[in-house]
Amino acid sequence: SQTIHQWPATLVQPVGSPLSLECTVEGTSNPNLYWYRQAAGRGLQLLFYSVGIGQISSEVPQNLSASRPQDRQFILSSKKLLLSDSGFYLCAWGPGAVNIQYFGAGTRLSVL
Amino acid sequence: GENVEQHPSTLSVQEGDSAVIKCTYSDSASNYFPWYKQELGKGPQLIIDIRSNVGEKKDQRIAVTLNKTAKHFSLHITETQPEDSAVYFCAASYSGGGADGLTFGKGTHLIIQP
Repeated sequence: SQTIHQWPATLVQPVGSPLSLECTVEGTSNPNLYWYRQAAGRGLQLLFYSVGIGQISSEVPQNLSASRPQDRQFILSSKKLLLSDSGFYLCAWGPGAVNIQYFGAGTRLSVL
Repeated sequence: GENVEQHPSTLSVQEGDSAVIKCTYSDSASNYFPWYKQELGKGPQLIIDIRSNVGEKKDQRIAVTLNKTAKHFSLHITETQPEDSAVYFCAASYSGGGADGLTFGKGTHLIIQP
């Protein structure tokens, strides 16, 4: 069966520091991969999605970037974190043929 | 782009009663409508979904209905139990074989009163 892993679960970072969140999927090949952000008390906002290695699409302009160095690895990065980057970050994967998406456990990021 | 509205934002029901959460969408091209359950501190879990070629789908105590003409869909939970307490999100997308992201509603906090 397929599983999705995200780490770390919780992260506290100072303003201006870099960020790297990692997501990996097991049990499938060539998945579609997604990064979402969830602000407190609000819904999920799509940040990036990828249909293959090195292929990244961005949905909203922001201080973040994403990369997909391997088929089942998706990384969310920032060179300098802002206070507004705080939130709950969720990675998701989908089989591609149909738009079903399965989410990881999330990373709670606090920028202080 | 797609816009999804979800109501109510908070719903409190007595254990054993039914709960209904409603969503509307704006893009008539959307054809895939999943529902997610999110418990505190966890990622959303897909609980049921429906495609535009059907009007209703059931899975034990959970059902989803879709009205394409009115562009709204609803989640129905019967015989609610304490473990149903969570935040529920509806979403919509066009499932054309691409990597289209889901557009989510803002969520409904369902509280099951004992």
